Amino acid sequence: GESVGLHLPTLSVQEGDNSIINCAYSNSASDYFIWYKQESGKGPQFIIDIRSNMDKRQGQRVTVLLNKTVKHLSLQIAATQPGDSAVYFCAATGKLIFGQGTTLQVKP
Amino acid sequence: NAGVMQNPRHLVRRRGQEARLRCSPMKGHSHVYWYRQLPEEGLKFMVYLQKENIIDESGMPKERFSAEFPKEGPSILRIQQVVRGDSAAYFCASSPRLAGGTSTDTQYFGPGTRLTVL
Repeated sequence: GESVGLHLPTLSVQEGDNSIINCAYSNSASDYFIWYKQESGKGPQFIIDIRSNMDKRQGQRVTVLLNKTVKHLSLQIAATQPGDSAVYFCAATGKLIFGQGTTLQVKP
Repeated sequence: NAGVMQNPRHLVRRRGQEARLRCSPMKGHSHVYWYRQLPEEGLKFMVYLQKENIIDESGMPKERFSAEFPKEGPSILRIQQVVRGDSAAYFCASSPRLAGGTSTDTQYFGPGTRLTVL
């Protein structure tokens, strides 16, 4: 069946450094991808999305890169802040197959 | 309030009781999705509904679980005769149009209902 997986369950970074969270997917037909952030006790919050006709999309302090050849996407967070500490999920269409999540820990 | 609303936020039930979880989608959204999240895990799709229609229930357990999205009122996820293994966070999401094929509009999530079965 379809799967989406993140490479590292936990990522620890120093405040101010850049963070890179990776994700792989299995369904080559997936054409829409979303990154969500989930803080403790809350629902997933949309961060950024990308369609398969693009390989890069930038938001405020975040960039998503998509490599369809190897079915891999990544989320880059610039100048990571303590408020970025959360679990990050990537999800792929059709009915949003979620990965396991990567917990980002930001050290002050 | 423009967000997805879920209630209750916390629900405690004893084994064998029924649990009813409610979800009001964002204004203008007519499509609702339910997901279950176990501790330390990602979200697992359960069911996708449009008003008065179940579009995809491939993630729903075959027994004890049901969902509806009536013409008026919130979407309801109903779990009958709950067991301890039903303890989880249940999230509802909504989107503004039908998700067709392999594309979908972004889903916006509610805060979740945390079900604890004693």
